[in-house]
Amino acid sequence: GAVVSQHPSWVICKSGTSVKIECRSLDFQATTMFWYRQFPKKSLMLMATSNEGSKATYEQGVEKDKFLINHASLTLSTLTVTSAHPEDSSFYICSARDWGNGERPTDTQYFGPGTRLTVL
Amino acid sequence: AQKVTQAQTEISVVEKEDVTLDCVYETRDTTYYLFWYKQPPSGELVFLIRRNSFDEQNEISGRYSWNFQKSTSSFNFTITASQVVDSAVYFCALSERWSMNRDDKIIFGKGTRLHILP
Repeated sequence: GAVVSQHPSWVICKSGTSVKIECRSLDFQATTMFWYRQFPKKSLMLMATSNEGSKATYEQGVEKDKFLINHASLTLSTLTVTSAHPEDSSFYICSARDWGNGERPTDTQYFGPGTRLTVL
Repeated sequence: AQKVTQAQTEISVVEKEDVTLDCVYETRDTTYYLFWYKQPPSGELVFLIRRNSFDEQNEISGRYSWNFQKSTSSFNFTITASQVVDSAVYFCALSERWSMNRDDKIIFGKGTRLHILP
């Protein structure tokens, strides 16, 4: 199946710094990627939909100036947590939409392994 | 509006027992996808199944089986002869119909934490 990677897998930073998380589709092109946030023992909450070459669509309640999303290529989307604070500590997961080909199933979302962010 | 309800927050069963995880969904769309994902302690989501709303056939994959009942808006997941490695959080999810012009998002239920006891 298709593979989605995230980097870094975990990061610890000081309050007030910015952190960038990368999401890559390794063997397919993804015009659409999604960013989720998951608090401990909670469900995944969609933060935003990232479309290649255009602005991201943010879910209600998500601060776009706080969580900057860039989808500059068909295989890479980045999420930057600006001026991070302890309440931003969470598990961030991306997914990439694959339209499929003759070998892979059509129209499937593949998830990355997640990035655990801890803000001190 | 879409909604996915997993009423069972946590379940514990003894190894080799069968266990069913319940999922009830709400959507106004007539065409949609239903999913089940497994999230082991490592955190990575593992895709288990996707079901199109037009396909009500039940599916079996090894020890896993899924029962899709459109009449009751349910998509339940059964693990037969459970094993310790099945211990994880299982999420049921829903997406309205995707097309080239829509970026329909996947909405997740709150998950069911499954403990398989040796």
